[in-house]
Amino acid sequence: DGGITQSPKYLFRKEGQNVTLSCEQNLNHDAMYWYRQDPGQGLRLIYYSQIVNDFQKGDIAEGYSVSREKKESFPLTVTSAQKNPTAFYLCASSPHPGDWMLAGANVLTFGAGSRLTVL
Amino acid sequence: KQEVTQIPAALSVPEGENLVLNCSFTDSAIYNLQWFRQDPGKGLTSLLLIQSSQREQTSGRLNASLDKSSGRSTLYIAASQPGDSATYLCAVKSGGSYIPTFGRGTSLIVHP
Repeated sequence: DGGITQSPKYLFRKEGQNVTLSCEQNLNHDAMYWYRQDPGQGLRLIYYSQIVNDFQKGDIAEGYSVSREKKESFPLTVTSAQKNPTAFYLCASSPHPGDWMLAGANVLTFGAGSRLTVL
Repeated sequence: KQEVTQIPAALSVPEGENLVLNCSFTDSAIYNLQWFRQDPGKGLTSLLLIQSSQREQTSGRLNASLDKSSGRSTLYIAASQPGDSATYLCAVKSGGSYIPTFGRGTSLIVHP
């Protein structure tokens, strides 16, 4: 079955450490996104990538970094510069805009999320 | 910049009621609007997608409508059940950037 896999599901970090969250998709989607979700707030965009080897900052990119070396993978690194990293992180993907009409109900598909807690 | 608002923020209803969730957006030049469901601690599950050229979509007890001119979408849930309890989010993909913008969601509780 096609989908998005995020790992780990739970992650604990000590202050000053960098951690990397994995996001892998086998949907052959061109675009991938990272969102952060905090209690009582909506999803806030951290980074997005619309094609391999290219990515753009979202609304809250400070303290985060990404890479897009393969179409299937879009890992997110939470660096020590992120002052309040405790949150629920969601990865999503979507096909090329030209394919949206063919994509059915799943134009934007999400992984199950990764919960990061700073100790 | 596109802004998406969902009203109400929270809703508690008895089982069996029909209910309407609202999503409004500020820029009517959209490509599509998607409704999601999120259970606590889980990812988002897609419910319905409405392309900009469509006015509504239906899936089972769910019906979503889109009125671009007024910047509104509604999600209608018929004969609500306790299993419908979740947070419902709408996401709008706007013209130009293709980046989805989310509302904060409506937290729904359906009690027996």
